[in-house]
Amino acid sequence: GQQVMQIPQYQHVQEGEDFTTYCNSSTTLSNIQWYKQRPGGHPVFLIQLVKSGEVKKQKRLTFQFGEAKKNSSLHITATQTTDVGTYFCPTSGGYNKLIFGAGTRLAVHP
Amino acid sequence: DTGVSQDPRHKITKRGQNVTFRCDPISEHNRLYWYRQTLGQGPEFLTYFQNEAQLEKSRLLSDRFSAERPKGSFSTLEIQRTEQGDSAMYLCASSPRTSGGHISSYNEQFFGPGTRLTVL
Repeated sequence: GQQVMQIPQYQHVQEGEDFTTYCNSSTTLSNIQWYKQRPGGHPVFLIQLVKSGEVKKQKRLTFQFGEAKKNSSLHITATQTTDVGTYFCPTSGGYNKLIFGAGTRLAVHP
Repeated sequence: DTGVSQDPRHKITKRGQNVTFRCDPISEHNRLYWYRQTLGQGPEFLTYFQNEAQLEKSRLLSDRFSAERPKGSFSTLEIQRTEQGDSAMYLCASSPRTSGGHISSYNEQFFGPGTRLTVL
């Protein structure tokens, strides 16, 4: 498995603004997962994307998997303070171990 | 709570001491992973168990680290002769058997709250 590059590393927004984080790979991915880790907490699974061009929504969160399966994005509409945390897009290695990058840390100012 | 549990949640030790952490996965999950996370970084894979068999160990896992899952249920991670560089959050995660057999599908991992190790 290969680690993906995630940008930005850090973003702070005003509450109510939108937020997007991007993950890019140089190789085709079989699938990608998204996790959220609150400050002081542990990673929590959000979603898994498998199909080319797939788009999935969870309330204010929209996840996309690129047509070439080399990139993915997470968009949050109208951020809230509860969205604070670090968002990771790990890829899968052998035995389905997760390969994490540094993630994108989101700060939301009320 | 039927999630993954870890014990202890915090451990402070002096350099050179041995420490042991325990992880209790979700009961029906046969796959168990250990990760290590330092400040500002994502978790790094350490080792993987399928039932009681340890099938993969990261090169990050030096000879001072050993992990077991004797009955395919709980797991322990022991660090001998701790060093200051071992200070980190040690996370355990479990996952059920892959369903459906689809070649590109895999199951989410459920993480425990972690054990924060501080080596003085």
